[in-house]
Amino acid sequence: SQQGEEDPQALSIQEGENATMNCSYKTSINNLQWYRQNSGRGLVHLILIRSNEREKHSGRLRVTLDTSKKSSSLLITASRAADTASYFCATGRSGGSYIPTFGRGTSLIVHP
Amino acid sequence: DAGVIQSPRHEVTEMGQEVTLRCKPISGHDYLFWYRQTMMRGLELLIYFNNNVPIDDSGMPEDRFSAKMPNASFSTLKIQPSEPRDSAVYFCASTLSDLSYNEQFFGPGTRLTVL
Repeated sequence: SQQGEEDPQALSIQEGENATMNCSYKTSINNLQWYRQNSGRGLVHLILIRSNEREKHSGRLRVTLDTSKKSSSLLITASRAADTASYFCATGRSGGSYIPTFGRGTSLIVHP
Repeated sequence: DAGVIQSPRHEVTEMGQEVTLRCKPISGHDYLFWYRQTMMRGLELLIYFNNNVPIDDSGMPEDRFSAKMPNASFSTLKIQPSEPRDSAVYFCASTLSDLSYNEQFFGPGTRLTVL
């Protein structure tokens, strides 16, 4: 499997703190995407970072990509209770076509 | 656009019964994906279609599972006969062509419980 694997599996923080979660993958990629899943809902796309990019920002989100280490991190700054959700990275499956495959996700709980 | 639509949202059935899950992708999207999510295995890709044609069904667990896409606006995932281990949340997702740089749009999912 060429899934991305998120770490940690679970993260619990207080509102206002920063949350960092990581993703490791196994093969070369064109890009890496992060998604959020609120309880009982489908996944929602957050951000895409291309393989030639090292860092990308979107609002309170900051994503980094280290292709030499085959890893990415998602930082949520000044977290809010509404950020409570599971976060997934998606990487392309090996064998040619980019077919996103997902890891098990990081479950983030932000306490008010 | 209403987004990806799935029905039913919840399905409870007994072992051995046939189950049909339905999906309407976003209009204009060329790709449609079926995923299954469980605590144990996470989010698994079952099958995906491009322009209504099944491209890769290697994730389909066994012959009891089948999927069709008769036209660009409708797809079904059928389980016959269903078993308790099929209990999971099934998601449908769609995306524009050129997968590399396009996000997937997920439906709300169908929570299936097989008793």
